[in-house]
Amino acid sequence: ETGVTQSPTHLIKTRGQQVTLRCSSQSGHNTVSWYQQALGQGPQFIFQYYREEENGRGNFPPRFSGLQFPNYSSELNVNALELDDSALYLCASSLESSGVQETQYFGPGTRLLVL
Amino acid sequence: QQQVKQSPQSLIVQKGGIPIINCAYENTAFDYFPWYQQFPGKGPALLIAIRPDVSEKKEGRFTISFNKSAKQFSLHIMDSQPGDSATYFCAASDNAGNMLTFGGGTRLMVKP
Repeated sequence: ETGVTQSPTHLIKTRGQQVTLRCSSQSGHNTVSWYQQALGQGPQFIFQYYREEENGRGNFPPRFSGLQFPNYSSELNVNALELDDSALYLCASSLESSGVQETQYFGPGTRLLVL
Repeated sequence: QQQVKQSPQSLIVQKGGIPIINCAYENTAFDYFPWYQQFPGKGPALLIAIRPDVSEKKEGRFTISFNKSAKQFSLHIMDSQPGDSATYFCAASDNAGNMLTFGGGTRLMVKP
């Protein structure tokens, strides 16, 4: 059983650019959630995808968008990058079965620096 | 109402000591309370989780105490070791797989 993987591990962008982060969910999991973790703070929920549709969204602007693919992997896209977008972006996967959501397991994260 | 408050922000204990980390929440819809451990440069790893129908849960050296009426829960680490030095986050959700609301984290250092 493989865990949650994310790519790239580190990324440097400049203000105004766009970025795409990728996540492969743990084997057997069908739900993916994305979190933003600023330095020294707890993770904040961005959104969740289930069956290729957004299934909940936190307090983030529309320039944060995502996709989930048929194999349950996912992308996080951020447009018009701002300096405050510099953070560790975490992906978490879980299994939804018969209406019951199981525990979320996190990947190692992608460290994004916006200059 | 979605906030989870965690204390202390940092904690230093000697090896063998019992660090205690506390969290408080407001949202009565929260039904699932996990604790995560995070090492520098890594993602959070689930340690232990509890639901409000029990007041205590123990897994190995980690124990969660839960007080539903006070809307508080805490993590105790028995016989702490230098390898336990990490940042610990409490979290809460209305369902295990739904949006997790995290506390601000506690940086624990266990001295040899």
